[in-house]
Amino acid sequence: AQSVTQLGSHVSVSEGALVLLRCNYSSSVPPYLFWYVQYPNQGLQLLLKYTTGATLVKGINGFEAEFKKSETSFHLTKPSAHMSDAAEYFCAVSRGFKTIFGAGTRLFVKA
Amino acid sequence: EAGVAQSPRYKIIEKRQSVAFWCNPISGHATLYWYQQILGQGPKLLIQFQNNGVVDDSQLPKDRFSAERLKGVDSTLKIQPAKLEDSAVYLCASSPQGQENTEAFFGQGTRLTVV
Repeated sequence: AQSVTQLGSHVSVSEGALVLLRCNYSSSVPPYLFWYVQYPNQGLQLLLKYTTGATLVKGINGFEAEFKKSETSFHLTKPSAHMSDAAEYFCAVSRGFKTIFGAGTRLFVKA
Repeated sequence: EAGVAQSPRYKIIEKRQSVAFWCNPISGHATLYWYQQILGQGPKLLIQFQNNGVVDDSQLPKDRFSAERLKGVDSTLKIQPAKLEDSAVYLCASSPQGQENTEAFFGQGTRLTVV
């Protein structure tokens, strides 16, 4: 069975600081992995995805994530936070036609 | 390209009343999902359609929730009767024909408050 764990329900960073949002998964077979962002009163929007190939994946808005099979992790990073990055971020794992979402991490960005 | 459309955006009802939500997916997308997102949690899949057939409804509370997707295009989700714990955002999403492991495209959601 697949599952997703996001470490930390809330993360607070200063503007310009590194953003690191953690995601660990469990899957019996190599999974497909996603990060979505949700702004207030909006649906989820895809940030980036890992399917196969290069383990470092670049997404929109300067975000990237690295798939580490040995650590079963897919952490999301951004070198320099911007106020507009304040939102909720969801990690998701997919296999076949089934996708499971983590509980989410709310990112706060301080001026 | 038009996105996933949902209506209404907000709904407030009393417990034991009924409510229906509507979703129009992206044109040509065969797979349609309904998710329930309770405050502070990630989206939970309620039901998944492939065209007008149900692929997965294992987490749909069938004693009170129902969904249909006539003609394989738009879909409605109904709750009857509603309970306080049904207060949540109901998200509709769609993905392209027959593609495994692909991302889903989400609508803005319907925020339901049951009082």
